[in-house]
Amino acid sequence: AQSVTQLDSHVSVSEGTPVLLRCNYSSSYSPSLFWYVQHPNKGLQLLLKYTSAATLVKGINGFEAEFKKSETSFHLTKPSAHMSDAAEYFCVVPEGSNFGNEKLTFGTGTRLTIIP
Amino acid sequence: EAQVTQNPRYLITVTGKKLTVTCSQNMNHEYMSWYRQDPGLGLRQIYYSMNVEVTDKGDVPEGYKVSRKEKRNFPLILESPSPNQTSLYFCASSPIGGVGGYTFGSGTRLTVV
Repeated sequence: AQSVTQLDSHVSVSEGTPVLLRCNYSSSYSPSLFWYVQHPNKGLQLLLKYTSAATLVKGINGFEAEFKKSETSFHLTKPSAHMSDAAEYFCVVPEGSNFGNEKLTFGTGTRLTIIP
Repeated sequence: EAQVTQNPRYLITVTGKKLTVTCSQNMNHEYMSWYRQDPGLGLRQIYYSMNVEVTDKGDVPEGYKVSRKEKRNFPLILESPSPNQTSLYFCASSPIGGVGGYTFGSGTRLTVV
């Protein structure tokens, strides 16, 4: 079975400073990986996805993530935090024996707080 | 607009009173799934469906039923709700393979008293 571990349950950064949200995965092969964001009282929105093409993936709202097989990591970064980035972020891996996406395994989430 | 629509957004009900949460997608996706989100436990899969009339259990199926009679709809049925089913529920859909990502509904906050 595949799994993802989000290393920080809570991250606080000042507005305008870089953001780093860490995710490690466990898989016997190169998986697909996603980052989703959940704003307060909202649904889940896809930020970006890795599907075995380019290892550096750019997403929406200035976020990007780099797939590093040697480190089994897929960390999410943004050069400059904005107040609107305050939300909960989930690292997600799909898995399944048939088409490969019967189940989404979620990390436990990282709550990002932006300090004015 | 491509979307997954859940109804209702909020629901308070009493123990034992059957209820249905609806989920509909307009993207012609084969795959649909239900998740529940609980503090400290993250999101856990309840049921999923790979196509019409094809459904299977996820990690926490007890107390829930689903059906997939049409491709666009995937209702979640609680025959006899209990307080431990108080949670935030999400429906998701994707094409087979899911490499394009999954589209989630806005969520249904259910309280069972």
